[in-house]
Amino acid sequence: DAGVIQSPRHEVTEMGQEVTLRCKPISGHNSLFWYRQTMMRGLELLIYFNNNVPIDDSGMPEDRFSAKMPNASFSTLKIQPSEPRDSAVYFCASSEGLAVISYNEQFFGPGTRLTVL
Amino acid sequence: GENVEQHPSTLSVQEGDSAVIKCTYSDSASNYFPWYKQELGKRPQLIIDIRSNVGEKKDQRIAVTLNKTAKHFSLHITETQPEDSAVYFCAASALNFGNEKLTFGTGTRLTIIP
Repeated sequence: DAGVIQSPRHEVTEMGQEVTLRCKPISGHNSLFWYRQTMMRGLELLIYFNNNVPIDDSGMPEDRFSAKMPNASFSTLKIQPSEPRDSAVYFCASSEGLAVISYNEQFFGPGTRLTVL
Repeated sequence: GENVEQHPSTLSVQEGDSAVIKCTYSDSASNYFPWYKQELGKRPQLIIDIRSNVGEKKDQRIAVTLNKTAKHFSLHITETQPEDSAVYFCAASALNFGNEKLTFGTGTRLTIIP
């Protein structure tokens, strides 16, 4: 298995532009997580899905952020409009989900480094 | 919600010595405590985890202990090696049907001095 796949790996954009980050979870995994990592705030959960349904979006900063999971193999995180304070590394992770109660490891993707100028 | 505190933020140890990282959590419902290792520029990776029905778990040179009463858990690395240099994150979760949310600590940057 190729693991969790994220694209793009690096994104540089100007303030006000729309940014879309993409994630393909590990095949067969039922849960998908979006995290943001910064020096100041550490690793924060933004939103997570189980069986394509958003379960917890309490970490989504504001209305400028939105996430979708149209099917089991694809998710997007969109920022519109982007601001310099959104600069961070965004990680996607997936797990087998709570149906497999004995094993809940979250496998992280390589991350997308976003820079908003 | 859950709050996880982690100490120290940085730690330097001589190669071959032991390293200990400590975390406390606030939600008594938390029952799953994983530790992730993140090397520079890489993704976080799970190295060990423990559930609330056990007090200690070992895997070769790493071990984790849990004190539910005091709501704290620790990572122990023995016989440290240069490849142990990384940032380590603890996390906590109240695993139950419908919520796998992990709350992470702020991380410990471990440096092994050759």
